[in-house]
Amino acid sequence: LAKTTQPISMDSYEGQEVNITCSHNNIATNDYITWYQQFPSQGPRFIIQGYKTKVTNEVASLFIPADRKSSTLSLPRVSLSDTAVYYCLVGDMSNQAGTALIFGKGTTLSVSS
Amino acid sequence: NAGVTQTPKFQVLKTGQSMTLQCAQDMNHNSMYWYRQDPGMGLRLIYYSASEGTTDKGEVPNGYNVSRLNKREFSLRLESAAPSQTSVYFCVTGEAEWNIQYFGAGTRLSVL
Repeated sequence: LAKTTQPISMDSYEGQEVNITCSHNNIATNDYITWYQQFPSQGPRFIIQGYKTKVTNEVASLFIPADRKSSTLSLPRVSLSDTAVYYCLVGDMSNQAGTALIFGKGTTLSVSS
Repeated sequence: NAGVTQTPKFQVLKTGQSMTLQCAQDMNHNSMYWYRQDPGMGLRLIYYSASEGTTDKGEVPNGYNVSRLNKREFSLRLESAAPSQTSVYFCVTGEAEWNIQYFGAGTRLSVL
């Protein structure tokens, strides 16, 4: 899995848009970018995955530039309940049964009122 | 549909005691994993099972054993617990195609 770098922590206020950027300079052609979210006292939860350009679901958007050396997770109008640790993972996720994920330390997002 | 069920949720052991952490999934996934999470260390893989009947070591297997009893169940055993094994343990199951992994609620283990 490619090495990733993301900020250790971020602060925001309710209602703001939050963008968390992840650097992955050594991303390989077959690698996908996946983000997980972990609330306190819970296990991580898959939130979004993409390969290039933009992916959007009900939780977040993922922006990936053409060179794919970085990606940005965008959370629109955050609320207090978005306070969590966000992990960026990069690897060949296709047909990889039994491949363990490597979680770094993630980005701790703190949302205040 | 419970997803991934871990038991117990909390456990306190004395050094040298043994115990087995149980995990069952109803998602019909072939892959199952055990991770531990410690403050400042992130999530680390202990053992995994790509399919029923197979198990492999992960990053930190020492002091642990696993059993893939059937497709649904994957247990983690501590034969002689040590304080260094105080941690939160997560059982995980993974989809085959995109390797999206689904975590259980965790077992919080303290070894005194």
